[in-house]
Amino acid sequence: DGGITQSPKYLFRKEGQNVTLSCEQNLNHDAMYWYRQDPGQGLRLIYYSQIVNDFQKGDIAEGYSVSREKKESFPLTVTSAQKNPTAFYLCASFSRQTNTEAFFGQGTRLTVV
Amino acid sequence: GQNIDQPTEMTATEGAIVQINCTYQTSGFNGLFWYQQHAGEAPTFLSYNVLDGLEEKGRFSSFLSRSKGYSYLLLKELQMKDSASYLCAVRDLGVGTGGFKTIFGAGTRLFVKA
Repeated sequence: DGGITQSPKYLFRKEGQNVTLSCEQNLNHDAMYWYRQDPGQGLRLIYYSQIVNDFQKGDIAEGYSVSREKKESFPLTVTSAQKNPTAFYLCASFSRQTNTEAFFGQGTRLTVV
Repeated sequence: GQNIDQPTEMTATEGAIVQINCTYQTSGFNGLFWYQQHAGEAPTFLSYNVLDGLEEKGRFSSFLSRSKGYSYLLLKELQMKDSASYLCAVRDLGVGTGGFKTIFGAGTRLFVKA
C-alpha cells in the first residue's frame, strides 16, 4: 500500500544532542514538507522540498536542517541550536502533477529530557 | 506574505449545523484545503477548493470566494465524533518561494455537546 511513514513515533533527546526524524513516502510525490505543531496550535512550516536535491526554508527553519538525496526520503535533523525542540513533528507530501491534497505521516513526538 | 485567520474555538450541539470560517491573504493562491485533526493524530483531508463556489461531500461542505479571500467549512448533522480541530490551509505559489508552499491556520477547536 502507498503511503507516507514517519519514524519513530516517540523520541526522547537529551539537551545538546542532535536528532534525526525519518520521513519516507512511496507515493511518487515530488513535494515534501516538514511541519512543527505545539500543543493547541496550528502547523508551522519548517522546510519544504519540490524536487530531489533542492529544498527551501519555511517560516521557522532556524535550528533545523534537511536533505533530499532521494525522492522518497526527506529526513529532518533537529540540532542543538533549536532552543525549544519539544513538539509534534509532521511530514507531508503531495503530487505537483495532480496538485491535490497533502498526505501526512503519523507524526513524531519529540521530547527533550 | 501569507496570513490565515480562523476562530479559536466553537461549540455546537449534536445534530446541529456549524459553520467554521477562514479568511486568508496570499500572493499566489493555488487552492484551499480543510483538514480534520484529532488530538495527538495527523491531520486528515476533508475538502479542496480551487474555484469559487461550494463543494459538497456527504455531511461536509466547503465554500470558497477568491475575491474575498474567504472560505467556510459547513458540518451538518453533527456527531460527537466530530469534536476535533479543523485546520484551514492555503497552497501558495509565490514568486521566489521555490514552488508550492502550503500554510496552515492555527485551527478551530470544535466541541460537540449532547
